[in-house]
Amino acid sequence: EPEVTQTPSHQVTQMGQEVILRCVPISNHLYFYWYRQILGQKVEFLVSFYNNEISEKSEIFDDQFSVERPDGSNFTLKIRSTKLEDSAMYFCASRANTYSTDTQYFGPGTRLTVL
Amino acid sequence: GNSVTQMEGPVTLSEEAFLTINCTYTATGYPSLFWYVQYPGEGLQLLLKATKADDKGSNKGFEATYRKETTSFHLEKGSVQVSDSAVYFCALTPTGTASKLTFGTGTRLQVTL
Repeated sequence: EPEVTQTPSHQVTQMGQEVILRCVPISNHLYFYWYRQILGQKVEFLVSFYNNEISEKSEIFDDQFSVERPDGSNFTLKIRSTKLEDSAMYFCASRANTYSTDTQYFGPGTRLTVL
Repeated sequence: GNSVTQMEGPVTLSEEAFLTINCTYTATGYPSLFWYVQYPGEGLQLLLKATKADDKGSNKGFEATYRKETTSFHLEKGSVQVSDSAVYFCALTPTGTASKLTFGTGTRLQVTL
């Protein structure tokens, strides 16, 4: 069964460093998402991406964050200058089409630790 | 805005016990409702969903009914197993768009022998 994959599974970085989290969505999907979950808190939406542009973003997704689909398969989240409060589990998700009944499929997550 | 409220965990049950995890929501219109499950060390997996009032979603012995009048989507299972130990997330998405999921805080279920 097709699945969303994410790399790395765990990333440790120093405050102020740039990180890139990578995702490979399911191949025929059109909509891509990033969510994050700070330890012990709820899963929060960051950004959605369709047709090579951001379709929606949350207030968390400030100028330090960016997303890109550099080729036909990868979908990346970049944090330019990490802060301690960026430590969280980051989930990528993808969906096939535009109907809200359509399921979002999640990857296993990348745990980001900022020291 | 949209929001989802789940009962606090952890919930600890003995094997074969009955499970209820409460979920209520606030949303305009008629959102679609979901339960996702996260097993230890894994990502979020869709457990079941319902897209309109009175729909019942079911999977792997779990059920939830979309109750518009009480804005609820409680998760139930008649007889839990140790393998059901996981974190369960209730979520919604607005109708008619490819919009984001809004999640509850998650409820950890621990099933013991």
